[in-house]
Amino acid sequence: GDSVTQMEGPVTLSEEAFLTINCTYTATGYPSLFWYVQYPGEGLQLLLKATKADDKGSNKGFEATYRKETTSFHLEKGSVQVSDSAVYFCALSDRSSGSARQLTFGSGTQLTVLP
Amino acid sequence: DSGVTQTPKHLITATGQRVTLRCSPRSGDLSVYWYQQSLDQGLQFLIQYYNGEERAKGNILERFSAQQFPDLHSELNLSSLELGDSALYFCASSSRGYGDTQYFGPGTRLTVL
Repeated sequence: GDSVTQMEGPVTLSEEAFLTINCTYTATGYPSLFWYVQYPGEGLQLLLKATKADDKGSNKGFEATYRKETTSFHLEKGSVQVSDSAVYFCALSDRSSGSARQLTFGSGTQLTVLP
Repeated sequence: DSGVTQTPKHLITATGQRVTLRCSPRSGDLSVYWYQQSLDQGLQFLIQYYNGEERAKGNILERFSAQQFPDLHSELNLSSLELGDSALYFCASSSRGYGDTQYFGPGTRLTVL
């Protein structure tokens, strides 16, 4: 079945540091890939997505590139802020499953940014 | 604000009881998904409805059931509750069964005592 493996957390960085959160996936078909973010006490918000190989998703300074050859979708940000402190989830939606498009999530990575 | 609403925000109940969680999707979205978030299992897909019909089932227990009504809101029914059912339950919606982007509600936190 489909699966997503995320870098174990927690991750603690100083403000303005470079961020990388690794994500690799296994899928039987050709998935769409997502990063969601969960701030304390809130639901999940879509951060960015990519639907085909070599696509780059970007939003709020975060980027991730769909790498089919390495089955990866690593999240990066050049300069993190305290307000980026949250839990980040990598997820996939396998389009070979017909109209059923449930998301398969990684375990989440807790990011804390210190001032 | 994603446009997806869930009620109640918090629910505290006892073992053996039954509860109903409610979700209203974004305006125009036909597809509703339910997910459970717990410390030990992470985020898991439970069930999907599309325009009133069940479309996919995930790791949903037999004690749990769901439905989607003609006005497209959905309810998740949890019965014979156990301590291990304590979790955050999220609803998400997307525009079509093929819609890749799912928008999540704020969740219902269920505590079973």
